Amino acid sequence: EPEVTQTPSHQVTQMGQEVILRCVPISNHLYFYWYRQILGQKVEFLVSFYNNEISEKSEIFDDQFSVERPDGSNFTLKIRSTKLEDSAMYFCASSGDRESYGYTFGSGTRLTVV
Amino acid sequence: GNSVTQMEGPVTLSEEAFLTINCTYTATGYPSLFWYVQYPGEGLQLLLKATKADDKGSNKGFEATYRKETTSFHLEKGSVQVSDSAVYFCALSDRVDYKLSFGAGTTVTVRA
Repeated sequence: EPEVTQTPSHQVTQMGQEVILRCVPISNHLYFYWYRQILGQKVEFLVSFYNNEISEKSEIFDDQFSVERPDGSNFTLKIRSTKLEDSAMYFCASSGDRESYGYTFGSGTRLTVV
Repeated sequence: GNSVTQMEGPVTLSEEAFLTINCTYTATGYPSLFWYVQYPGEGLQLLLKATKADDKGSNKGFEATYRKETTSFHLEKGSVQVSDSAVYFCALSDRVDYKLSFGAGTTVTVRA
């Protein structure tokens, strides 16, 4: 069964450093998403991406965040200057159509900011 | 806006017990409804879904029926196993922005 692949599975970074979280969505999917889950809290929507542009973003997704699909297969989330409160599990997801029979999530990247 | 409210946990059960996790939603449109499961140390996996009223989603012995009149999508399993220990998330996706809104998650522990 097709999978969404995320790398790395765990990343530790110092506060103020830039991090890039990588995702390879399912190859024929068109809609891409990032969600995050702070430990013990609800899964929260960050951003959706379609046709090479952001289609929607939450208030969490401020100027420190950016997304890119640089080569037609990868989908990246960049945090420019990490803060302690960015520590969370970040999930990438993709879906094939907007009628949304469910997304396929990756297994997540646990980001720890120290 | 859209929101999902699900039964707070944690829930602890014995093997072969009946499990039900309540989920109700508020949506501006006509959403699709989902249950996701997160096993210890793993990511989110789609457990089941329903896209219209009275649809029943089912998978791995779990079932949930889309009840528009009560805006509910309760998850049930007749006989749980230790391997069902996980966090269960109810979620919806509307047909306006298509993003998922999640409930807070319910931690279920099944003891042998």
